[in-house]
Amino acid sequence: EVQLVESGGGLVQPGGSLRLSCAASGFTFSSYEMNWVRQAPGKGLEWVSYISSSGSTIYYADSVKGRFTISRDNAKNSLYLQMNSLRAEDTAVYYCARETPGEPGDYWGQGTLVTVSS
Amino acid sequence: QSALTQPASVSGSPGQSITISCTGTSSDVGGYNYVSWYQQHPGKAPKLMIYEVSNRPSGVSNRFSGSKSGNTASLTISGLQAEDEADYYCSSYTSSSTLWVFGGGTKLTVL
Repeated sequence: EVQLVESGGGLVQPGGSLRLSCAASGFTFSSYEMNWVRQAPGKGLEWVSYISSSGSTIYYADSVKGRFTISRDNAKNSLYLQMNSLRAEDTAVYYCARETPGEPGDYWGQGTLVTVSS
Repeated sequence: QSALTQPASVSGSPGQSITISCTGTSSDVGGYNYVSWYQQHPGKAPKLMIYEVSNRPSGVSNRFSGSKSGNTASLTISGLQAEDEADYYCSSYTSSSTLWVFGGGTKLTVL
């Protein structure tokens, strides 16, 4: 069974940093591209970042470019999102999603809540 | 403002059919057959319902169908059931610097 489990969310002050993790199981993690997608409270879905299966190709949404860094460790079946210079507008539930050709996520984790507030 | 435009809400009675539209541009919906639809119940993660415009993943009811014409994609749910009440989001690949774009979401109410 495919499972994606996010962790690392919490309350952080504006300007602070947080590192999210996504533990994958039930599939060959190293064969799949992955995405981070977020959802602000009461709002819609917003794509955040993409990483290829090898980690060699990375994309970011303009809203997080220069502040967030996506990475993966295929040996540990894990995906990461390092978030720096956090702003109030980064407050959201962050989901990791397994990408397959044609869509950004066929399986999603349960999400982890990041709250940026003083 | 979301990149793809969806109606904020739709409603229907049990047994009826409804259609949710998703309008983009030639740089996303109109340019690629990479449109997908997600169902999200409150407090839950999104669930893939349709991929590549009209394909259903294994386990998704055949009451759900997708189509596309020009820059507009559509999700149709036939034989509405109470459990279909949820938020629905469309997504498309885009040739812009943003790899994937989502619609603003449509709240489906089953009357």
